[in-house]
Amino acid sequence: RKEVEQDPGPFNVPEGATVAFNCTYSNSASQSFFWYRQDCRKEPKLLMSVYSSGNEDGRFTAQLNRASQYISLLIRDSKLSDSATYLCVVSGGPGGGNKLTFGTGTQLKVEL
Amino acid sequence: GAVVSQHPSWVICKSGTSVKIECRSLDFQATTMFWYRQFPKQSLMLMATSNEGSKATYEQGVEKDKFLINHASLTLSTLTVTSAHPEDSSFYICSALRGASGNTIYFGEGSWLTVV
Repeated sequence: RKEVEQDPGPFNVPEGATVAFNCTYSNSASQSFFWYRQDCRKEPKLLMSVYSSGNEDGRFTAQLNRASQYISLLIRDSKLSDSATYLCVVSGGPGGGNKLTFGTGTQLKVEL
Repeated sequence: GAVVSQHPSWVICKSGTSVKIECRSLDFQATTMFWYRQFPKQSLMLMATSNEGSKATYEQGVEKDKFLINHASLTLSTLTVTSAHPEDSSFYICSALRGASGNTIYFGEGSWLTVV
């Protein structure tokens, strides 16, 4: 089983749509959770951290369910510029320290 | 602007030669840097953790004699792919840990290696 699992997509959505991505992780001792965005042939960039209480940053909302080991990202009113691959990332726990473990990513294509 | 710089961005080399990739933290000291590799349509895979002044810690399955890591200063870590083969062609990315608590990680821009 992969440590971090995501639906690879692609998700093709029209501009303005709401889209949700899900992610599950296997290490129950993981401490920190993130969503990164990666554009084609570029390095990943931090989109937002994810907290148990849920957090929102503009059109983006992230949720964490530790009991289910499940993380989600909701994008509202999607823009063409949101087209990218979204990476679910976890870190921490025994032996993990600051090492980041990446999911394979979910590809999003926002279309006119 | 970038706080972690990686060089070169692109490199093509002949099979059997060695290639060095540099990762620099531009305005902070990084005692810990990480090296990742990403094949097309796959996730970033951690290769090794580079610690300033000590030997790197390699992940399982990564050959330490093939992927030489040197972290001789607090702002520079290098990855040398020795005796490169076409299957080593990949996107190599470094990241650096900033802060005493180590809770901020910055990525370099990545290096595309093609071995022909």
